[in-house]
Amino acid sequence: GDQVEQSPSALSLHEGTGSALRCNFTTTMRAVQWFRKNSRGSLINLFYLASGTKENGRLKSAFDSKERYSTLHIRDAQLEDSGTYFCAAFDSGYNKLTFGKGTVLLVSP
Amino acid sequence: NAGVIQTPRHKVTGKGQEATLWCEPISGHSAVFWYRQTIVQGLEFLTYFRNQAPIDDSGMPKERFSAQMPNQSHSTLKIQSTQPQDSAVYLCASSLDWGQNTLYFGAGTRLSVL
Repeated sequence: GDQVEQSPSALSLHEGTGSALRCNFTTTMRAVQWFRKNSRGSLINLFYLASGTKENGRLKSAFDSKERYSTLHIRDAQLEDSGTYFCAAFDSGYNKLTFGKGTVLLVSP
Repeated sequence: NAGVIQTPRHKVTGKGQEATLWCEPISGHSAVFWYRQTIVQGLEFLTYFRNQAPIDDSGMPKERFSAQMPNQSHSTLKIQSTQPQDSAVYLCASSLDWGQNTLYFGAGTRLSVL
């Protein structure tokens, strides 16, 4: 099965609301990285976490290696937040970054 | 810092032709990764270099795919006898060091095999 299970696959939010994306891991991961795909298709780094939580503006991410999950919280969603978000996790050797299948976020007025 | 540079941005090949994709990692980064993105599979790891040496190619299809890193400033991914199922966006990423945190991705090369 997939090592990184990302949910939901799609999410619709109204402006000003918030929600959370989640990634569950089937094995112990060393670190997690969250990305957003921009309009050009490039992957933009949002967060890198080896543990704990990080916050940047309206985004907040948490990673619990022991419990095998990571979350990305979006608050006060704006139209420009629409896009595809990916989580990815580093294996124990830091050799590979395994990606989830992504969450398509649509923020509407 | 121009970031990770991938060329070409788009490549169209006929079935059976060869395709070579280029990646220039961020200067000073010692780890270079190749990934492939498709709608069906999402993002898949292909191969990884550290200090130009191939470390892990477990994600590479055993036939027709090869990757090299002849010097620290560029890596290539070569696909021989391309097939329609090879159509995907191929992403290159680099990081400062092995075991080091953030991967920086290029914009990708969209390969279309007709």
